[in-house]
Amino acid sequence: QVTLKESGPALVKPTQTLTLTCTFSGFSLSTSHMRVGWIRQSPGKPLEWLARIDWDDWKFYSTSLRTRLTVSKDTSKNQVVLTMTNMEVVDTGTYYCVRMWQRLVVDSWGQGTPVTVSS
Amino acid sequence: IVMTQSPATLSVSPGERATLSCRASQSVTTNLAWYQQKPGQAPRLLIYGASSRATGIPARFSGSGSGTEFTLTISSLQSEDIAVYSCQQYDNWPFTFGRGTRLEIK
Repeated sequence: QVTLKESGPALVKPTQTLTLTCTFSGFSLSTSHMRVGWIRQSPGKPLEWLARIDWDDWKFYSTSLRTRLTVSKDTSKNQVVLTMTNMEVVDTGTYYCVRMWQRLVVDSWGQGTPVTVSS
Repeated sequence: IVMTQSPATLSVSPGERATLSCRASQSVTTNLAWYQQKPGQAPRLLIYGASSRATGIPARFSGSGSGTEFTLTISSLQSEDIAVYSCQQYDNWPFTFGRGTRLEIK
């Protein structure tokens, strides 16, 4: 059974750095064509892809957020970490960890973790 | 690639057909997925490759289209289908979603 779970702070202040960890089970990120990514959902906005990391360590970032994002993996721990620097109020939303395998569609989602940016 | 969905809200009677539209600002061939999101839940994959149902998705859900025009059809609306439906292209990174269509019971 595939599961993904996000963890991290629920509240961050403007200009701070957000670090989110995705801990998953039921698959390995070393498996060929396995990918783990981050999608966020902010109020009044469509779902937005932030970043993804692939089994071969290729990394992909949102064009508009590229300078603020870093994604990394620890295959031995079954974890993927996303950092987002210089947080702003508009970054408030629910952050989902997701999996893609073979096809480039999300077949599994974490429950999501809400993040509020406020002073 | 900008994904535009219409209508924003759709009201359909139980047992009736629901037709949701999604348009891409440039061709995405058939690299188009549909997701269903119920309140308080994460989205769920319904359709990939524009017309292939994901595992466990009922046959009343069907997708069609290619290039820039796509349609999700629910042949006979059930009460449990009330949700927001979003399309997403995965032809080019960054993958992008539409704003969603909110499906309501009439």
